[in-house]
Amino acid sequence: DIQMTQSPSSLSASVGDRVTITCRASQSISTHLNWYQQKAGKAPKLLIYAASSLQSGVPSRFSGSGSGTDFTLTISSLQPEDFATYYCQQSYSAQITFGQGTRLEIK
Amino acid sequence: QVQLVQSGAEVKKPGASVKVSCKASGYIFTGYYMHWVRQAPGQGLEWMGRINPNSGGTNYAQKFQGRVTMTRDTSISTAYMELSSLRSDDTAVYFCARERTGDEDYWGQGTLVTVSS
Repeated sequence: DIQMTQSPSSLSASVGDRVTITCRASQSISTHLNWYQQKAGKAPKLLIYAASSLQSGVPSRFSGSGSGTDFTLTISSLQPEDFATYYCQQSYSAQITFGQGTRLEIK
Repeated sequence: QVQLVQSGAEVKKPGASVKVSCKASGYIFTGYYMHWVRQAPGQGLEWMGRINPNSGGTNYAQKFQGRVTMTRDTSISTAYMELSSLRSDDTAVYFCARERTGDEDYWGQGTLVTVSS
């Protein structure tokens, strides 16, 4: 299976901060990388697909980049509603795998 | 509009089986894989497997091989996930999710399965 490693596992930040979350795959996955946001008690919400494509309706402060094994999710200016847990997911393999998650908390 | 509606919460004893359903509407059921993902309390997302509703073919995560069975009933546009030999660490919310295509991504509301003696 392809292992996905996210860092950091948790992050404290303030409204207005720029935040970057990284995700590393154990082998090349081209750009078959998606980012999800999850809030407590809710299903995950797709933010970015194919490494850098913004899901319709998602604010432009979210962006994704990377290819091969290294990927980043950037939030350019944190808003109160962005405090949540973020997961990367590889869809290169038929055996889909998620990163362990990054919990973004208010400082 | 696309909707995935899952069955209600379940409480099971260790060693039992549970079968969760996911009724799809708003699209051609046989046109998209259906995935199952679970999330234990306070933990991350774990992909369990997928089913091709057209052929019935399945791919399971190695961790669940031999314990999970995914099926479908195309006449009622419903996918099922059955997990057997339940243990306490199978306590989780189980989600169905339609195969993502481009920016189209749909999830069920989740079904809480509690395993307790």
